[in-house]
Parts: sequence; structure tokens; C-alpha cells
Amino acid sequence: SQTIHQWPATLVQPVGSPLSLECTVEGTSNPNLYWYRQAAGRGLQLLFYSVGIGQISSEVPQNLSASRPQDRQFILSSKKLLLSDSGFYLCAWSSIRAGLQETQYFGPGTRLLVL
Amino acid sequence: AQKITQTQPGMFVQEKEAVTLDCTYDTSDPSYGLFWYKQPSSGEMIFLIYQGSYDQQNATEGRYSLNFQKARKSANLVISASQLGDSAMYFCAMREANTGGFKTIFGAGTRLFVKA
Repeated sequence: SQTIHQWPATLVQPVGSPLSLECTVEGTSNPNLYWYRQAAGRGLQLLFYSVGIGQISSEVPQNLSASRPQDRQFILSSKKLLLSDSGFYLCAWSSIRAGLQETQYFGPGTRLLVL
Repeated sequence: AQKITQTQPGMFVQEKEAVTLDCTYDTSDPSYGLFWYKQPSSGEMIFLIYQGSYDQQNATEGRYSLNFQKARKSANLVISASQLGDSAMYFCAMREANTGGFKTIFGAGTRLFVKA
């Protein structure tokens, strides 16, 4: 069965510090990978998605970036965090087929607080 | 304009009763998919049910059913026989074919409280 891991689970960082959140998927090959952010009390906002190694599509221009160095690894980064980067970050995967019906499976999330 | 609108920030339901969570959507794409997810307090997003725009029948998954009214652009989630464990945030979401099937848009969510 497939599993998706995210770490760290919780992170408190000062403004201006760098960020690296990691997501890994097990039990599947060539998944589509996604990074979402959820602000407190809000819905999810798609940040990035990737259909393969080194292939990243950005949905929202901001001070965040994503990379996919390996097939089942997806990393969210920032060089300098802003207060507005606080939120709940969720990684998700779906089958490579990526049709309308393809379900996205979410990781446990990382709660980021920027002070 | 909002693509997905969930007008109920919070809902209360008595245990064992049915509850309907509202969702309306806006799209000009004739081909799209609609999803409902549950988010417990732990934060994980759990897929509940899917409805395709060309599906003739309303989707059902156990105690969950989707009341799909295409002309009204609504996709309400019905939970029958509510349980205490149903207390959570519920998100309606849509994926449009013209975005290549990658971009899922989420509503703001409805928090459901199930009372014993």
C-alpha cells in the first residue's frame, strides 16, 4: 500500500530564516506530487505540482520554491520566510494518469509558524 | 469570482440524524470533477466521494452521498446517520479538464459538529 510522509510535523521559524519541508511517497512509482498551503480556518491553496523529476509547475508566485530531486521526493523551500508564510502545508500525491477522477492522497502535514 | 462556495461556516447535527453540507461551484468547462474531503482536527485530508460532470447518477459511498444538481451548479454532501466521529471540517473541491487535471480548487470549508 502507498504511504506519504512529511516532516517535520511542526516548525517554528523566525522571519527571514530559510525553510525546507520534505515529502516522500512509498509504494508507488512516477506519482504526481503536490504542495498545498492552508491558512488558519481556510481552504487549501495549490502552491506547486510536479509530474516528474525536475519538473515543477508553480501556481502562486511567492518567495517559496519546490524541487523534486527523486521520483518520490518533493521538497518545499524558502530562502527567507515571511510572516505570511505561516500555515499548514500539505503534500499530496496522485497517480500519473491525473485524470479528473484521480484521487489525491494527502500527507499528515507540517504546521509552520513564522515569528 | 469564487470557484467553490461553501456558505455554511459551521453546522450542528444530532447524532444519528442526517446532515447536508452545501457546495456551489462556478465553471464554464463542460468537463469537471467534484470532490468532498474530510479534515479531522489532526489535519489530514481524507477523500470521501467523487462526482464527474457527466455522471448520470449521484455518487454514493457508504453513509456519504452527493446530491448533484448540474443546472444549479451545486454538489451538496449528505451524511446519513451522523456519528460523533464525523465531527470535522469538510471541504468541497473541483477539478476542471481545461487545467489538465492537475489543479484542484478547494472551498473554504464547513465545520461540522455532531452532538451526542
